[in-house]
Amino acid sequence: KQEVTQIPAALSVPEGENLVLNCSFTDSAIYNLQWFRQDPGKGLTSLLLIQSSQREQTSGRLNASLDKSSGRSTLYIAASQPGDSATYLCAVSYSSASKIIFGSGTRLSIRP
Amino acid sequence: DTGVSQNPRHKITKRGQNVTFRCDPISEHNRLYWYRQTLGQGPEFLTYFQNEAQLEKSRLLSDRFSAERPKGSFSTLEIQRTEQGDSAMYLCASSLDVGSTYEQYFGPGTRLTVT
Repeated sequence: KQEVTQIPAALSVPEGENLVLNCSFTDSAIYNLQWFRQDPGKGLTSLLLIQSSQREQTSGRLNASLDKSSGRSTLYIAASQPGDSATYLCAVSYSSASKIIFGSGTRLSIRP
Repeated sequence: DTGVSQNPRHKITKRGQNVTFRCDPISEHNRLYWYRQTLGQGPEFLTYFQNEAQLEKSRLLSDRFSAERPKGSFSTLEIQRTEQGDSAMYLCASSLDVGSTYEQYFGPGTRLTVT
């Protein structure tokens, strides 16, 4: 069964810290992997998309890495800010047309 | 380009009633997806259209659920005889399959509460 797991489920850190969110997937034959942000009661905002042939993607203070062979991805957030507080979802797809399979998310809280 | 839109944003209904949600994809996106998200969980796939053809349905999509995409533009998701377990956020996404990364763009969702 194709599953995505995110650990930890929740994380609270003080403002200014660098942090890493983890994602693992059971079937390594992914087509691409995405990280999304979701604010309470809202839809999803795509942060980074990594194609299967890529090792990492960067956007501002965010860096996502992909290790297909081990079935893992990490999202690194530098110099965290209270505005980064949200739930971060990791998701994989296995073809260009297929559904996205999501993890349950990591609920991040940045303390001022 | 105004992004994916969904209406209504919130719906409260009584158990046993029928509800219908609408999704307008990004113009010219030929693929459209429906997902359902319950509290504390990631979204789960329900169904997928390429143009007007419904190509895949999840086992989560019971016979009380029906989705359509007439003319390959907007889509509707109808739930008949709603149950309390149908309470969730229903998310729509669209993507383009020509010369793109096939990235799915999500709408703001419709939150359904069944009382």
